[in-house]
Amino acid sequence: SQKIEQNSEALNIQEGKTATLTCNYTNYSPAYLQWYRQDPGRGPVFLLLIRENEKEKRKERLKVTFDTTLKQSLFHITASQPADSATYLCALENNAGNMLTFGGGTRLMVKP
Amino acid sequence: GAGVSQSPSNKVTEKGKDVELRCDPISGHTALYWYRQSLGQGLEFLIYFQGNSAPDKSGLPSDRFSAERTGGSVSTLTIQRTQQEDSAVYLCASSALAGGADTQYFGPGTRLTVL
Repeated sequence: SQKIEQNSEALNIQEGKTATLTCNYTNYSPAYLQWYRQDPGRGPVFLLLIRENEKEKRKERLKVTFDTTLKQSLFHITASQPADSATYLCALENNAGNMLTFGGGTRLMVKP
Repeated sequence: GAGVSQSPSNKVTEKGKDVELRCDPISGHTALYWYRQSLGQGLEFLIYFQGNSAPDKSGLPSDRFSAERTGGSVSTLTIQRTQQEDSAVYLCASSALAGGADTQYFGPGTRLTVL
């Protein structure tokens, strides 16, 4: 069956450290993978998109990797800040190529 | 410009009543999606509209759920004979195109509580 797995346990890190979140998937062959941020009581907000032929994408303090062999994406936040505390969702293009399917998200807590 | 808006922001209803939730997508966006999110959970896909094509209803949990998109713009999600397990946040999103290459823009959601 198709699965998108993100660690359901919260990730707690100290301010200034690098946060690394993992998204693993099975039985998908996505051409695109996206990461979103969701704050409590709000809808998700788009952060980054990476294509299957891109190994890495960066935006300011954010970095995403996409390994289609391992079927895994890693999402990194460098020099993390308490304001980065939120839930981060990965989303894959479905096999029909017509929409995204979202993972369950990982909650990140950055402590000052 | 205006983002995706949803109304009402909160809805409390009694079990067995019907509710309508509204979504106004970003102007010009052809794709519109409805999701449900229970407390502390991920997004559960409900239904997807793309242009004038027949909607993808594969995520609707029961025949009590239905949705319309009039004139390719505003969408209404209707839940008939609500049950307590329908309590959740209902999120709407739109995108300019369909598919995994396009960004989805989410509304703030409607929090539905069924007593």
